[in-house]
Amino acid sequence: KQEVTQIPAALSVPEGENLVLNCSFTDSAIYNLQWFRQDPGKGLTSLLLIQSSQREQTSGRLNASLDKSSGRSTLYIAASQPGDSATYLCAVNRWGKLQFGAGTQVVVTP
Amino acid sequence: NAGVTQTPKFRILKIGQSMTLQCAQDMNHNYMYWYRQDPGMGLKLIYYSVGAGITDKGEVPNGYNVSRSTTEDFPLRLELAAPSQTSVYFCASTEGWTGNTIYFGEGSWLTVV
Repeated sequence: KQEVTQIPAALSVPEGENLVLNCSFTDSAIYNLQWFRQDPGKGLTSLLLIQSSQREQTSGRLNASLDKSSGRSTLYIAASQPGDSATYLCAVNRWGKLQFGAGTQVVVTP
Repeated sequence: NAGVTQTPKFRILKIGQSMTLQCAQDMNHNYMYWYRQDPGMGLKLIYYSVGAGITDKGEVPNGYNVSRSTTEDFPLRLELAAPSQTSVYFCASTEGWTGNTIYFGEGSWLTVV
């Protein structure tokens, strides 16, 4: 059974510091992996999608890597800002069904 | 553009009552999903649909039912509500599951007392 784990569960950093969020999964038979942002009381917003054949994907200050063989993905957020404060979730896609990690709650202090 | 719209936003139910959570999307997506999110946990798939008239169970379907009579709408019905169904429910849709962005509604907060 696929298990998706995100460590740490919570993270607090000062503004300007780079953020590193980790996601691990137990079954490498995935179609793709996605990173989402969730603000309090809101739905999820898709940040990056990495296909299983890709090693990384970039969008602005965000960069996500994928190592399928080791079952790991990392989301890097450069030069963090208070507006980056949110919960970040990763999800692996197996045949159209997303399986989510529990998320990492990030607080960026001014 | 509305995207994925869920109603109601908040609801309190008594044990044993039934209700329907509504979900509508205006993007002509074939794939629609219902997830639930418990505090401190990731989202778990309840039911999904790959097109009008086609639905299938996800990871946690017990106590729920769905139907998909149109492309736009995917209602989730809770029968005989139980305290274990207290959760936040999210509806989502996507054009295709192989590499397309998935769009989520803002959630429906349900409390069963």
